[in-house]
Amino acid sequence: GESVGLHLPTLSVQEGDNSIINCAYSNSASDYFIWYKQESGKGPQFIIDIRSNMDKRQGQRVTVLLNKTVKHLSLQIAATQPGDSAVYFCAETASGYGQNFVFGPGTRLSVLP
Amino acid sequence: DAGVTQSPTHLIKTRGQQVTLRCSPKSGHDTVSWYQQALGQGPQFIFQYYEEEERQRGNFPDRFSGHQFPNYSSELNVNALLLGDSALYLCASSLGAGAGYEQYFGPGTRLTVT
Repeated sequence: GESVGLHLPTLSVQEGDNSIINCAYSNSASDYFIWYKQESGKGPQFIIDIRSNMDKRQGQRVTVLLNKTVKHLSLQIAATQPGDSAVYFCAETASGYGQNFVFGPGTRLSVLP
Repeated sequence: DAGVTQSPTHLIKTRGQQVTLRCSPKSGHDTVSWYQQALGQGPQFIFQYYEEEERQRGNFPDRFSGHQFPNYSSELNVNALLLGDSALYLCASSLGAGAGYEQYFGPGTRLTVT
C-alpha cells in the first residue's frame, strides 16, 4: 500500500500502554478540531472531534484535550492495540471556513508487541 | 454500501501534461472535497464542491480545477503539470458542506510527474 509518511515523528508504545499524541495548531481563530487516523494505503479516518467551547471530549478508548491558551491539542489512546498503529493527524478549521481544514504534519504511532 | 471510490489508483504523467482524477462519493453524500498529500506531510485542502459549484478553495493555483456532476461525483483536473504536483490526491465526501459534517476519505490517487 501507499506509504503515508517516511520521515514523520514516531511514537513507539508497548501494547496495552496508553498513548499520547500531541499537536500544536497555528490559528488562534480555529474553533473546530478533528483527529484523523491514516493507515498505509488508506485515506484518513475520523477518530474524534472537539469544538473550542470544550476542553475535553471522550470517545471509545480515545480522549481529546484542547488547550486554547497555548494552542495545543492532544489525543490519548487507552490500552493501545496493534491495530492502532498508523499515522495520526490533527486538523483545524475556523468558523466561516467550512471544510477548509488545515492538517498538522502527523505522528506515526508504532505499537510494540 | 460502497464508500468513497477514486480512480485511477496510480498515474504517471510527464511535466507539462494535463491530468483528470475521478471521485465517487459515499452513497447519500452531496459534498466532495479534494486534498493533496505530499509524501511525509498532512493533506492540504484544494477545494470543495457542493451543488455542482466550487464553494471553498485552498491556496492552490488556477491550474487546479474541478467539476461536480448531478450525481455528486467529481473530477479534479490539473493542467501544466509540475514535478511538485507529485502527491497522493485524496477525495472526501460528506452529507453537507459545513465543517461539522463528517468527511469520509477515499484511498487516494497516487500521481507521479516525471
